[in-house]
Amino acid sequence: EPEVTQTPSHQVTQMGQEVILRCVPISNHLYFYWYRQILGQKVEFLVSFYNNEISEKSEIFDDQFSVERPDGSNFTLKIRSTKLEDSAMYFCASRVLTGGSGANVLTFGAGSRLTVL
Amino acid sequence: SQKIEQNSEALNIQEGKTATLTCNYTNYSPAYLQWYRQDPGRGPVFLLLIRENEKEKRKERLKVTFDTTLKQSLFHITASQPADSATYLCALNSNSGYALNFGKGTSLLVTP
Repeated sequence: EPEVTQTPSHQVTQMGQEVILRCVPISNHLYFYWYRQILGQKVEFLVSFYNNEISEKSEIFDDQFSVERPDGSNFTLKIRSTKLEDSAMYFCASRVLTGGSGANVLTFGAGSRLTVL
Repeated sequence: SQKIEQNSEALNIQEGKTATLTCNYTNYSPAYLQWYRQDPGRGPVFLLLIRENEKEKRKERLKVTFDTTLKQSLFHITASQPADSATYLCALNSNSGYALNFGKGTSLLVTP
C-alpha cells in the first residue's frame, strides 16, 4: 500500500538552529500538508500546499516556517530559527485532488520528532 | 471560534463490549466528518467518512452517526478487542476546505 515517507524520524537540535524536515508524499497525490503535535496535545494544522503554492496556513505557521517542493517528489518544512516550543512531532500528509468519497481524506506519514534543546 | 470537542477522559471498556465516542463541534458547517485512529508515536490513520446527508455509516465493526442539527457525531466500535486500544480523532474541514482540523481525541483502552 502506498505510504507517505518522512525523514528524519527523530532530530535533536539546539535552539536557534535551522531544521529541515523532509517528506515524500504518495506519488499521485496533489495536496500536501504539514501538521504538528506537541506531546499530549492535539494534532494541529500548519499548512496546506497545492500547485506549488500555499493554499492555507494556520496562525502557528509564522515567518519562521516555510515549505517547499524542491523537486517532483519531496516536500519539505523548514524552521529557520528553532525555539524550545517547536519541540513536537511533525506529520506530513497528502491526498488526491478531489472527488468522490475520497475527498479530503488524508494519508499521514509516521512523523518526525523534533527535540529543541 | 471553531471548536471540535471530544471527551478528554480516557474510555476504559471490557473486551467484547461496545465503545461509544462522542464528537461535538461549533461554528462549522461541514459537508462531511471524518474519524481517524492514532496509535502512540504514529500518524493518524483514516477510518471513516460520513457526509452531511448520511445519518449512519458502517464499516465492519465500526459505526458512525452524524447529526448536523445537534452538531454531533458518535463513533461506535462493536465487539471491541484489545487491539482497538488507541486514540480516536474526529476531524472536520476548515471553512476554506483546504485544512482538516482535528479534535484532541479520545483515548480508548480495551481490557481482556
